[in-house]
Amino acid sequence: GQQLNQSPQSMFIQEGEDVSMNCTSSSIFNTWLWYKQDPGEGPVLLIALYKAGELTSNGRLTAQFGITRKDSFLNISASIPSDVGIYFCAGPVNFGNEKLTFGTGTRLTIIP
Amino acid sequence: GAVVSQHPSWVICKSGTSVKIECRSLDFQATTMFWYRQFPKQSLMLMATSNEGSKATYEQGVEKDKFLINHASLTLSTLTVTSAHPEDSSFYICSARADDRTYEQYFGPGTRLTVT
Repeated sequence: GQQLNQSPQSMFIQEGEDVSMNCTSSSIFNTWLWYKQDPGEGPVLLIALYKAGELTSNGRLTAQFGITRKDSFLNISASIPSDVGIYFCAGPVNFGNEKLTFGTGTRLTIIP
Repeated sequence: GAVVSQHPSWVICKSGTSVKIECRSLDFQATTMFWYRQFPKQSLMLMATSNEGSKATYEQGVEKDKFLINHASLTLSTLTVTSAHPEDSSFYICSARADDRTYEQYFGPGTRLTVT
């Protein structure tokens, strides 16, 4: 099946810094979803991308659907303490399949 | 909108007993719900796809007789872990699609199962 690799695996940043992370696939995706998971909670949908090249924002978060359709990027501007958590990318297992495959996750920690 | 609840949020049970976890879509109807399992510091692994009014579809390696799924209505799916063993201890999360035209899944808060 398709694998989604996320980079970096973890990030340690200071409050106020901008954050960039990415998700890559070995095959083409037609949808990219970005989720955030807090400890002990279920993932929360942040942004959905449906078109190659698409750039979508949600507050301080901006995500892009890569032109090659094999990658996606998530940026967080001016990080705050509540941004701490694990960020997952996800996409359909294959075209038309309702199942999602999830990336390996990027763990964000803010250093006081 | 698109709120999914789970009950219980955590449960402790003894080996050999069965545990039922409920997943409800609160403000929408879901013909399809999904059950995931997540181990510490790992990603989500799909266990099964639950379809209202029909049998669930299990992923390879998931024992259907051990993880019983029932999707009795458009707002409720249940996962029963039968004859639980310590290795079944995990974080179980359900999700649902609010709109079948998109791939977006909305997740419940999860259920922490500990088998002693």
